[in-house]
Amino acid sequence: EADIYQTPRYLVIGTGKKITLECSQTMGHDKMYWYQQDPGMELHLIHYSYGVNSTEKGDLSSESTVSRIRTEHFPLTLESARPSHTSQYLCASSEQGADGANVLTFGAGSRLTVL
Amino acid sequence: AQSVTQLGSHVSVSEGALVLLRCNYSSSVPPYLFWYVQYPNQGLQLLLKYTSAATLVKGINGFEAEFKKSETSFHLTKPSAHMSDAAEYFCAVSRYLETSGSRLTFGEGTQLTVNP
Repeated sequence: EADIYQTPRYLVIGTGKKITLECSQTMGHDKMYWYQQDPGMELHLIHYSYGVNSTEKGDLSSESTVSRIRTEHFPLTLESARPSHTSQYLCASSEQGADGANVLTFGAGSRLTVL
Repeated sequence: AQSVTQLGSHVSVSEGALVLLRCNYSSSVPPYLFWYVQYPNQGLQLLLKYTSAATLVKGINGFEAEFKKSETSFHLTKPSAHMSDAAEYFCAVSRYLETSGSRLTFGEGTQLTVNP
């Protein structure tokens, strides 16, 4: 039972197209994140947000952009997709627990293929 | 700075055998440590977390991990592997920063294969 939803799960598009990957969570978490994951490789943080109207670049440079107009929604947009953008994109949200740990809850991912 | 190193990108065990996945961390302050599991075509799921309450942490699906400060390690173990344990496992470290909140740094992952 997922509390964080990503659509589409799979997307194959041509070079130059604009795409938006959707991410929504129902947990009321303030913090949300986008990670990029290539096959068999580690996760790289590309964007994060600590609340509405707050967005920051992550550790890995990305040509994508994000917005946070509503707490529950954190879409990622590529204005002009290229084959180098082919990857899996994972969305996550989190809250600080009473023990101080920041536990991330992940969506199922969006696998993007750009031809 | 904080980082994690997972020793062995691929681990293969027989069904019923001990599972040991290694993780070493680097952190300038006491860390929070996590193990996540990723099944094929899915997101990551939390297995367990260390928050300094106890050095031996029990998680879901029979997994546990022991925090050893002297060795800067947080290895993941399970006494008896099951076929359903086959997945990618990620170790992660975080610490809370006043200026930017908590940030997680993931290791490169270890692919666990369980042979019948």
